[in-house]
This record gives sequence, structure tokens and C-alpha cells, in this order.
Amino acid sequence: GAVVSQHPSWVICKSGTSVKIECRSLDFQATTMFWYRQFPKQSLMLMATSNEGSKATYEQGVEKDKFLINHASLTLSTLTVTSAHPEDSSFYICSATGTSDQETQYFGPGTRLLVL
Amino acid sequence: RKEVEQDPGPFNVPEGATVAFNCTYSNSASQSFFWYRQDCRKEPKLLMSVYSSGNEDGRFTAQLNRASQYISLLIRDSKLSDSATYLCVVFTSGTYKYIFGTGTRLKVLA
Repeated sequence: GAVVSQHPSWVICKSGTSVKIECRSLDFQATTMFWYRQFPKQSLMLMATSNEGSKATYEQGVEKDKFLINHASLTLSTLTVTSAHPEDSSFYICSATGTSDQETQYFGPGTRLLVL
Repeated sequence: RKEVEQDPGPFNVPEGATVAFNCTYSNSASQSFFWYRQDCRKEPKLLMSVYSSGNEDGRFTAQLNRASQYISLLIRDSKLSDSATYLCVVFTSGTYKYIFGTGTRLKVLA
């Protein structure tokens, strides 16, 4: 149980385009989903926290107009990187906590974004 | 001071060795603690939760010392497959945030 999927796993795009990443909880309802970014040889940095049906809470320094988060249902959250630039190239990982255990988070496999 | 601090390593140990990692946290209100394992270019995977009473799962033992605000992970009889980065994660319900340490790299050598 507690499987989280992400799609796509790899994205290569031109500078200026927008990229949408989906995060789904497959076998449980996720009350909260988290979006992280990880640069090489660094730890995960929380970008934002989202709850179903409400606006995401962004961490300091993360532009909400650039990283659009939609948490439309208890099993789906999306992150859209708008007008991506090379410095946005990173490993984006989502995680989710469930209704029965709200403290343990389960991670998706991550999405590698490369902006040329 | 970082909220969660870990020695980045790398720890290079021979197969069969016992290795211990420590992690310290600064927020005394933190209430849940976890060790995650992350392989290169992969997502973190939950290794174990950490309880005040200590907990053991096979070759892995985790301990929590609330008074000193540190968490430890002990790996006995290291295997080559244990080579990974071990992430200490601290959860604070007041802020509903998980704070990650920078991770400790372990290399188990044949």
C-alpha cells in the first residue's frame, strides 16, 4: 500500500515553455501533498504544501506564480512550472500523507526536469 | 544553525561492519522522526520511524534522545546494498512540516 506515482518521470523542454507534473496517490486518499525540489548533491527542499480544495502554502523564496500547484482531489496534485528556465532544471519530488497516518509521508518516484 | 543537521560523510565501511549515524534537530517541539534512504537519482524511501523507546528492524536500530535532541541509526552487518544516502527527517505538527537533513552518504565496500 501507500503508493505514490508521478508523471512524467523525465522532461526535456526549451526555455520559456511550461511543464506540468502530476502526482497521484494510487491506493489511499492523500489529505496533504508536498512538493520538493532537489538539486544535485543537496537534500530535498520543500517548495509547497497543498491540501485538497485549498490554496497551496508556499515556502519562503518559492514564487507561487511560477510554480502553480493545483490539488483538485484527494488523489491528485499537479505542479506546473511556468516559463521554465535552465535554472529550474532539477529533480522534483512529490509526497503524500494519508488520512489514516498523517505523519508518515510517501514519496513519488520524482520527475527530472531539464530546461535547455 | 540548521534545523536538522547530519554529518554528510561519506562513510566508507567494509562489508560486515557496524556503522552509526547521528542527526540533531533544533526544534524541541518536533514530535515525529524518521530515517529515509535515498539511492542515487531516486526518491527517498521510508526506512523506519523513530520512537523514544527505540526500535529495531532486522539489522537496523533507531534511537531517539529527546533531551539531547538527537536521533541515531545503527546498521549492523553492513551489506553492499546498504550503500545509499540516509536522510534524517523531523516532523513538527504545529507547522505541519517535514524538515530534511542533508543526508549521510554510506558506501559499503567489498
